[in-house]
Amino acid sequence: EVQLLESGGGLVQPGGSLRLSCAASEFTFSSYAMSWVRQAPGKGLEWVSSISGSDDITYYADSVKGRFTISRDNSKNTLYLQMNSLRAEDTAVYYCAKDLWLRGVTPFDYWGQGTLVTVSS
Amino acid sequence: DIVMTQSPDSLAVSLGERATINCKSSQSVLYSSNNKNYLAWYQQKPGQPPKLLIYWASTRESGVPDRFRGSGSGTDFTLTISSLQAEDVAVYYCQQYYSKPRTFGHGTKLEIK
Repeated sequence: EVQLLESGGGLVQPGGSLRLSCAASEFTFSSYAMSWVRQAPGKGLEWVSSISGSDDITYYADSVKGRFTISRDNSKNTLYLQMNSLRAEDTAVYYCAKDLWLRGVTPFDYWGQGTLVTVSS
Repeated sequence: DIVMTQSPDSLAVSLGERATINCKSSQSVLYSSNNKNYLAWYQQKPGQPPKLLIYWASTRESGVPDRFRGSGSGTDFTLTISSLQAEDVAVYYCQQYYSKPRTFGHGTKLEIK
């Protein structure tokens, strides 16, 4: 069974930084694009960023462009999200999610349990 | 970006009755070259991550009960639960994957009446 396990969330002050990790197992990690999707408390789902499987092509939502950096280490089956210049509106549960198919724009078929990021002074 | 609009915001249905959730996209998500609608539905139960229910607007993911049915084409889509069970209480989201960024509807909260 595919497993995605996020870590690294916590309380951070506005303007601070945090690095999220997502450890993946039970699938060929390097073959699939991966994404981060966030959910503010009591709100809906917002796609944040995606990275291709092996050639490190990245995409970002306008709301985080220039502040967040997605990366992956295929040798460690791990996805990362470096978050800088954090704002109160970045407060959310951050999920890592796996693309359903190997190519193209696809739905997400597996999600982690999420890690909570709280930006507050 | 493609905007996804769901209706209603919340819905209360009696056990065993039909539940219907609507989703409208701001532009067509039907790809003419393969005649497929790039539309997915997710279910999110309290305290859990979303779960993929349906893709290609009407194809159920493996293991999803057949009481869940997706329909529609172009810009208008529907998720129907034919006979509501207690375990179906959740928030349901539609998502387009026709173009990047992949955008979600704001969600429809389904409760038991």
